[in-house]
Amino acid sequence: DIQMTQSPSSLSASVGDRVTITCRASQSINNYLNWYQQKPGKAPNVLIYAASRLQGGVPSRFSGSGSGTDFSLTISSVQPEDFATYYCQQSYSGRYTFGQGTKLEIK
Amino acid sequence: QAQLVQSGAEVKKPGASVKVSCRPSGNTFGDFYIHWVRQAPGQGLEWVGWINPKTGGSNSGQKFQGRVTMTRDLSISTVYMELKRLTSDDTAVYYCTRDYSEPGHPQYFDQWGQGTVVTVSS
Repeated sequence: DIQMTQSPSSLSASVGDRVTITCRASQSINNYLNWYQQKPGKAPNVLIYAASRLQGGVPSRFSGSGSGTDFSLTISSVQPEDFATYYCQQSYSGRYTFGQGTKLEIK
Repeated sequence: QAQLVQSGAEVKKPGASVKVSCRPSGNTFGDFYIHWVRQAPGQGLEWVGWINPKTGGSNSGQKFQGRVTMTRDLSISTVYMELKRLTSDDTAVYYCTRDYSEPGHPQYFDQWGQGTVVTVSS
């Protein structure tokens, strides 16, 4: 199975900060990379699909980039509602896999 | 609200099996693969497997192969995930989710069930 490695595993930020989370695949996955946000007790919610395409209804402060094995999710100006856990996920192979998650906490 | 409706919480003993159901809303049953994802307490998301509701074909992660079975009942538009030989490590919230893609673009999960808590305890 393709391994997905996220970094960092946790991140402290203040409102208004710019933050970036990275995700590396163990082999090339082209642009078959999605980003999800999950809040406690809730199902995940897709933010970015196909590495850089913003899901409808998601604020434009979220952006994604990358291709091949290296990807990133950037929040241009963190808002209070953005404190959550973020996961990358590949849909390249028939067996999908997630990164281990990045918890964004308030500084 | 959840667009896929899952069955209720389960408590099982080690060695037993559990079967969780998932019914997508609307009239799209068969149009999209349904995947299962689980999350142990305080842990990350773990992909379990998928089923093609139209054909019944399925696939699962290596660690679940031989222990998980995914099926569907076309008459009631419902898919099922059965996990056998449960251990305490299988205690988790199990989600079903819809695999969607825009034409010409990769797949992603756009709709989720509300989650089913499975507790394995003696």
